[in-house]
Amino acid sequence: DGGITQSPKYLFRKEGQNVTLSCEQNLNHDAMYWYRQDPGQGLRLIYYSQIVNDFQKGDIAEGYSVSREKKESFPLTVTSAQKNPTAFYLCASSMSRGTQHFGDGTRLSIL
Amino acid sequence: KNEVEQSPQNLTAQEGEFITINCSYSVGISALHWLQQHPGGGIVSLFMLSSGKKKHGRLIATINIQEKHSSLHITASHPRDSAVYICAVSGSRLTFGEGTQLTVNP
Repeated sequence: DGGITQSPKYLFRKEGQNVTLSCEQNLNHDAMYWYRQDPGQGLRLIYYSQIVNDFQKGDIAEGYSVSREKKESFPLTVTSAQKNPTAFYLCASSMSRGTQHFGDGTRLSIL
Repeated sequence: KNEVEQSPQNLTAQEGEFITINCSYSVGISALHWLQQHPGGGIVSLFMLSSGKKKHGRLIATINIQEKHSSLHITASHPRDSAVYICAVSGSRLTFGEGTQLTVNP
């Protein structure tokens, strides 16, 4: 079945480490998105990509980086510059500006 | 003030009750979305609407463009409806409300 796969489901990071969250989709969607969710807040956009080899910063891009080398994949790296990385991260994809389809999320915690 | 406001933030109901969750927005939109987030965190899109009303099973979504308001109704609620319901609006990008935590008790 088509869908979005995020891995891992739970991730732990030590102080000063970079970690990469995986997002893969087999829906043949052009656009992909990364969101961060914190308790009591709506989802906030970190980065998005509307086409391979191109991506744009969202509202809270500082401390994060992405790449879009393949249509199916949009990995997110949480760098050591992100001072408060503990959160739930959701990846989504869509056809152009159509309905976004979401993955099951990755919960990142700091050790 | 958030661009997308939902009410209530938390809602507890008894099985069988009719439930309404409200969403107001303050920006121009091309569409409004209702999403459901289960305890595990995954999000499912329930509705995308730009006018009028849509129905799927026991769920009904309405939107009033002039008043910039949408409602999500659940008829004959069931414990499996317990989830966070999120309103989001499509403008230049998708903007999300904070969500409504619904708990339906048996």
